[in-house]
Amino acid sequence: SQKIEQNSEALNIQEGKTATLTCNYTNYSPAYLQWYRQDPGRGPVFLLLIRENEKEKRKERLKVTFDTTLKQSLFHITASQPADSATYLCAHRDSNYQLIWGAGTKLIIKP
Amino acid sequence: NAGVTQTPKFQVLKTGQSMTLQCAQDMNHEYMSWYRQDPGMGLRLIHYSVGAGITDQGEVPNGYNVSRSTTEDFPLRLLSAAPSQTSVYFCASSRAYSRGADQPQHFGDGTRLSIL
Repeated sequence: SQKIEQNSEALNIQEGKTATLTCNYTNYSPAYLQWYRQDPGRGPVFLLLIRENEKEKRKERLKVTFDTTLKQSLFHITASQPADSATYLCAHRDSNYQLIWGAGTKLIIKP
Repeated sequence: NAGVTQTPKFQVLKTGQSMTLQCAQDMNHEYMSWYRQDPGMGLRLIHYSVGAGITDQGEVPNGYNVSRSTTEDFPLRLLSAAPSQTSVYFCASSRAYSRGADQPQHFGDGTRLSIL
């Protein structure tokens, strides 16, 4: 079955450093990957979408990469701030075009 | 902009009771879906709809019903609540997607449901 794996352990980063989160997928080659941010008690909020042929996409301090050989996407936040603390989710469409989701990685930015 | 609105925000039910979770969107999106989110697990798709009058099952449809009589509304019905249905439920909407153009999802803030 198609699966998405994200590091279940919280990631603690010092303010100002770059945070890097990993999303690994198996048993399928998606054409797109999506990244979302989820704050406690709120629904996920869309951040970035990357196509398989884009390799890298940026939005302000955010950068996403897509390595189809490694079956992996990396999500980077540069110059991290405490306000970036949240859980970050990745997702891609399965063979039925429905989104499947990772469990998310909790990011904690310490002042 | 309201976006996706879910009601209620919290609900406690007894085993065997039924209820309807409401979801409405004001973005004229064709696609709507319901997910449940449990600790340590990714969002799991319950049911989805690609347009008014069209619904289909997702990964975990048992115990839930949906209907889509209008573009705006997509209610989720629990037929006979069970403790295993204790979860946080999210409704999402998006524009129609295709192989050539994926679409981001817009989520409501969820309904926290406890079944005793």
